[in-house]
Amino acid sequence: EAAVTQSPRNKVAVTGGKVTLSCNQTNNHNNMYWYRQDTGHGLRLIHYSYGAGSTEKGDIPDGYKASRPSQENFSLILELATPSQTSVYFCASGARDRGNSGNTLYFGEGSRLIVV
Amino acid sequence: GDSVTQTEGLVTLTEGLPVMLNCTYQTAYSTFLFWYVQHLNEAPKLLLKSSTDNKRTEHQGFHATLHKSSSSFHLQKSSAQLSDSALYYCALSDPYTDKVVFGTGTRLQVSP
Repeated sequence: EAAVTQSPRNKVAVTGGKVTLSCNQTNNHNNMYWYRQDTGHGLRLIHYSYGAGSTEKGDIPDGYKASRPSQENFSLILELATPSQTSVYFCASGARDRGNSGNTLYFGEGSRLIVV
Repeated sequence: GDSVTQTEGLVTLTEGLPVMLNCTYQTAYSTFLFWYVQHLNEAPKLLLKSSTDNKRTEHQGFHATLHKSSSSFHLQKSSAQLSDSALYYCALSDPYTDKVVFGTGTRLQVSP
């Protein structure tokens, strides 16, 4: 059973419209992340969170907001969508294992967004 | 800030040949390095990870050794299989912020 689920999986939005991408995790991880994936750029971090009520800016936060209302849910909000935000968006939850070998991420299946 | 460099965008190989995907990194802090693999139309998932200098880490036939002296964490496999065709990401985890930074990815295409 999928531990990180994203919705919608596919979305077509109009320029200037508002888009909300949702993510739910059942891993009980404190950390959650939003990345976008583009050919030639790889996975780039937009926002992340340490827990309910927390949001932190990643490397490319401009044009995006994030919301973490609970441990399980983390949303990415595009208030005024632009064609440059056409991409595949991945949500992930993260946790350090008992050996403390870093923060392993567990990804959702991705949300494909097209802004026309 | 932290950064990860993967110099090859695409690596094409014939089945049975060895695989080596390059990864170098820059960080001011302790190092936690990862390789993630993403098959077509799937989510990225962890392949292997390490934070121990000069120790070989293996999983599913792949291996990598973290070399802090050269800031490298190259991914290797002795013999490529068709099923290894995928996108491979090297990543770095910041131990203080838990921020995870990825490289640009290397697509591995294995042909018969």
